[in-house]
Amino acid sequence: DSGVTQTPKHLITATGQRVTLRCSPRSGDLSVYWYQQSLDQGLQFLIQYYNGEERAKGNILERFSAQQFPDLHSELNLSSLELGDSALYFCASSANRGTNEKLFFGSGTQLSVL
Amino acid sequence: GENVEQHPSTLSVQEGDSAVIKCTYSDSASNYFPWYKQELGKRPQLIIDIRSNVGEKKDQRIAVTLNKTAKHFSLHITETQPEDSAVYFCAARKDEKLTFGTGTRLTIIP
Repeated sequence: DSGVTQTPKHLITATGQRVTLRCSPRSGDLSVYWYQQSLDQGLQFLIQYYNGEERAKGNILERFSAQQFPDLHSELNLSSLELGDSALYFCASSANRGTNEKLFFGSGTQLSVL
Repeated sequence: GENVEQHPSTLSVQEGDSAVIKCTYSDSASNYFPWYKQELGKRPQLIIDIRSNVGEKKDQRIAVTLNKTAKHFSLHITETQPEDSAVYFCAARKDEKLTFGTGTRLTIIP
């Protein structure tokens, strides 16, 4: 167990809908990262938050948004869903203090858009 | 932005033999290079990492080498075992952003 909690584990929805994925980082970690992994694909970086502020942005669509709350949990909102958004969405956290850069991944949320 | 290329995409080795996976990166400012292992249906897990001020690092059967001049780094697994079968991802970090390679599916043949 990495200490990173993601909910829900599975999500099935229809095109055009909106969903929210939730992530609780490891205790003490200030950074949260979101990655998208499509079938047989690599890990595509979406966005990173550090202590409540957006720190880095990757290939995140405008239909997607995220935030990190004061208690450090994070939510990834996906709207106007398309079939191509079906993927495994991972959250990861790190302490990100000094040279402590190691990422710990959650179990992921499997999103299926029908 | 940073671009990480990983080869090969699939690799099969006989149990007990060695496996080598190679990655190249584009941005010379990248300074941290971790390797993650992802077993089927599981989360990626860090197996070894190296910083840009180090040329080689070893942890039991796993080693990573870094050539900053050529901008490439490699994962070496010796005396492979069936439980080494998984997808391996390399990554390069610049500033706050960690960019992953496309992964190598390693299969150990008993």
